[in-house]
Amino acid sequence: KNQVEQSPQSLIILEGKNCTLQCNYTVSPFSNLRWYKQDTGRGPVSLTIMTFSENTKSNGRYTATLDADTKQSSLHITASQLSDSASYICVGLQSGGGADGLTFGKGTHLIIQP
Amino acid sequence: GAGVSQSPRYKVAKRGQDVALRCDPISGHVSLFWYQQALGQGPEFLTYFQNEAQLDKSGLPSDRFFAERPEGSVSTLKIQRTQQEDSAVYLCASSLSNPAPQYFGPGTRLTVL
Repeated sequence: KNQVEQSPQSLIILEGKNCTLQCNYTVSPFSNLRWYKQDTGRGPVSLTIMTFSENTKSNGRYTATLDADTKQSSLHITASQLSDSASYICVGLQSGGGADGLTFGKGTHLIIQP
Repeated sequence: GAGVSQSPRYKVAKRGQDVALRCDPISGHVSLFWYQQALGQGPEFLTYFQNEAQLDKSGLPSDRFFAERPEGSVSTLKIQRTQQEDSAVYLCASSLSNPAPQYFGPGTRLTVL
């Protein structure tokens, strides 16, 4: 069964600090992995999409990494801002899968304190 | 351009009532998805449309759940005889095709009393 596990479950850091969120996935056959940001009361918004051959991808202050050998991904946030407070969801997409080929993690709830 | 919109944003229903949740996808998006997101959980797939055809409804938890997209644009998720366990946020997403990046709506928070 495909699974996506995220850690930590929740994280509190001070504004301006960096943090790294982890994602371990078991998705087979693997197509790509996505990180979403979900603000409270909103739908998820895509941050990055990473394929098998991509190791690192940046989107502003967000940098995602992917290690296809260990099936691990991380999302690094640099110089955090109050607006970064949200849930960050890791999603694995199964290659050739149908509409239900997405496997969502439970998310990491990030709180940025001033 | 407008994103995916959903209405109502919040719905409170008494146990046993029927509810209808609406999704307006991004214009031109062929694929439309419904997800159920329980508190503290990631979204769980419910059903998928390609244009007006419902190609996958394997995630619908029971026959009380019914979705339609009669003209290939707006979609409605109907829940009959609501139960307390139906309380969740119902997310709609659309994409140009499948698989392709999905754009999510803000969700409808359903609370069944």
